[in-house]
Amino acid sequence: GAVVSQHPSRVICKSGTSVKIECRSLDFQATTMFWYRQFPKQSLMLMATSNEGSKATYEQGVEKDKFLINHASLTLSTLTVTSAHPEDSSFYICSARDGQSAETQYFGPGTRLLVL
Amino acid sequence: GQNIDQPTEMTATEGAIVQINCTYQTSGFNGLFWYQQHAGEAPTFLSYNVLDGLEEKGRFSSFLSRSKGYSYLLLKELQMKDSASYLCAVTDSNYQLIWGAGTKLIIKP
Repeated sequence: GAVVSQHPSRVICKSGTSVKIECRSLDFQATTMFWYRQFPKQSLMLMATSNEGSKATYEQGVEKDKFLINHASLTLSTLTVTSAHPEDSSFYICSARDGQSAETQYFGPGTRLLVL
Repeated sequence: GQNIDQPTEMTATEGAIVQINCTYQTSGFNGLFWYQQHAGEAPTFLSYNVLDGLEEKGRFSSFLSRSKGYSYLLLKELQMKDSASYLCAVTDSNYQLIWGAGTKLIIKP
């Protein structure tokens, strides 16, 4: 299957700092990438949908100024958590939709963020 | 509203068979996915059904009935490594993926 990488896999930061998470599709072009957040023992929560070359579409309740998404190329999307606070600590997972296999989303390994 | 229902937790014995059900009510339908998620890891793709019927892939099979808004994931010859959460997700008419809460499957020796 298609491969999606995510970096970093784990990050610990101080409250008030910004953290950038990268999501790359390694062997396919991803016209659409998705960013999810998952709290312990809960299901995935879609944060935003990112289309290459255009602005991301954010889900209700997700602050676009706090969670900056850039999808500058067909293989790379970034999520920046600005001025992170302890309540932003979570598991952030990206997924990418293969342009040829239009329906299936392939997930990156996730980034565990801990804000102290 | 849009809704996906699946059991919260199931327990099965190593070597046995288990069926995880998923029912959905969505605005339109463009396919149903099953994903496996081990604790602390991201989901991995298991299956995709868009037409009625059974899709078999090794020890795992997935069934879909669109008229009933129903799917199941069948796991045969259970192994301890199959202990995980199994997520059902449906693509609606806008090609948005609607997620179920997941079924935690516990395998006992």
